[in-house]
Amino acid sequence: GAGVSQSPSNKVTEKGKDVELRCDPISGHTALYWYRQSLGQGLEFLIYFQGNSAPDKSGLPSDRFSAERTGGSVSTLTIQRTQQEDSAVYLCASSLALPSNTEAFFGQGTRLTVV
Amino acid sequence: GQQVMQIPQYQHVQEGEDFTTYCNSSTTLSNIQWYKQRPGGHPVFLIQLVKSGEVKKQKRLTFQFGEAKKNSSLHITATQTTDVGTYFCAQPRQPNSGGGADGLTFGKGTHLIIQP
Repeated sequence: GAGVSQSPSNKVTEKGKDVELRCDPISGHTALYWYRQSLGQGLEFLIYFQGNSAPDKSGLPSDRFSAERTGGSVSTLTIQRTQQEDSAVYLCASSLALPSNTEAFFGQGTRLTVV
Repeated sequence: GQQVMQIPQYQHVQEGEDFTTYCNSSTTLSNIQWYKQRPGGHPVFLIQLVKSGEVKKQKRLTFQFGEAKKNSSLHITATQTTDVGTYFCAQPRQPNSGGGADGLTFGKGTHLIIQP
């Protein structure tokens, strides 16, 4: 595709339910990031995938959060037993992984609301 | 972990006034990037600075990278309503890497509010 694609664009879920968010990066981009953004706030790093390397999960806020990246392309972020504080916009970005240029291309985000 | 300090958090200006946001790092950086996020939108890459003391211009926007490569600024001359949004700086999560190895850390952003 022409850009980073995320789905769904909006998700309303009941507290305690599990949700899956999907990110389809730009073809050929080996680096993929997930960030979380609460209303009016900055970008909170969640997880980073780079090629076939083990992902950097240091930003995941709890063990209810997990992410996979299959075949080095599509990624899914799973939140189990959602809580109201999980409500936020979840942004995915991809980039080349060159030391000299790592411009990140962001998707439109998934707005998650936990009620 | 890496700290990316960005100030101010909010800036109100009258249309036509200038605007500056600053980004400071506790360590020397290999590069720094700037992004803009319009209200309701997603961050969009503006520029990357690599060299010590580098200055780059994009129309009314001027970007600077400090001599010590620990700070950067974005200056907008004669703001327009289209400049409204949040401006983020981003640095490699590992300061000595180009970012390709470990990704990017973003500052909290500066919200630019313009009063017509």
